[in-house]
Amino acid sequence: KQEVTQIPAALSVPEGENLVLNCSFTDSAIYNLQWFRQDPGKGLTSLLLIQSSQREQTSGRLNASLDKSSGRSTLYIAASQPGDSATYLCAVSGSGGYQKVTFGTGTKLQVIP
Amino acid sequence: GAVVSQHPSWVICKSGTSVKIECRSLDFQATTMFWYRQFPKQSLMLMATSNEGSKATYEQGVEKDKFLINHASLTLSTLTVTSAHPEDSSFYICSASFAGMIVSYFGPGTRLTVT
Repeated sequence: KQEVTQIPAALSVPEGENLVLNCSFTDSAIYNLQWFRQDPGKGLTSLLLIQSSQREQTSGRLNASLDKSSGRSTLYIAASQPGDSATYLCAVSGSGGYQKVTFGTGTKLQVIP
Repeated sequence: GAVVSQHPSWVICKSGTSVKIECRSLDFQATTMFWYRQFPKQSLMLMATSNEGSKATYEQGVEKDKFLINHASLTLSTLTVTSAHPEDSSFYICSASFAGMIVSYFGPGTRLTVT
């Protein structure tokens, strides 16, 4: 059974800092990995999708890397802003079907102005 | 990208009553839909997978008689919480996909509060 863990569980940083969120998964037979953002009481916003054959994806200030063999992914946020404050979820698909997603435990980020 | 909607966005019901949540794929035909729930300060957990025209497959620990899932059309799946209890209060999110899609698309979620 796939298990996805995110470290740290919570993070507080001053505005402008670069930061890294970590995600690890136990079964490396994944189809893809996604990073989502969830604001309090809201649904999910997809940030980046990395296919199993890819090493990284970039979107604006966000960069996600994937090391499938070691079961790890990182989300790098450059020049953090207060608007980046949210919970970030890592999710992998593959075990049990490529559309079935297993979510991580989440990292709650607070960017202090 | 593909759009998935949920209705209602939030609902309050009394203990013992049933409540139905709809998940619709607005611009594609969803052969497969997934239902997740999220308890406060926890991550999303898959409840069940439904394929159009077939019975849903429930994850371990999810009561199929309590959480009734119907996927009767390629654009609509419903989750009915029967005889709701306060511990069923949660955030329910659906996702939809079709064969050949590399990802599934998530709805905005429904917040259920049982009083």
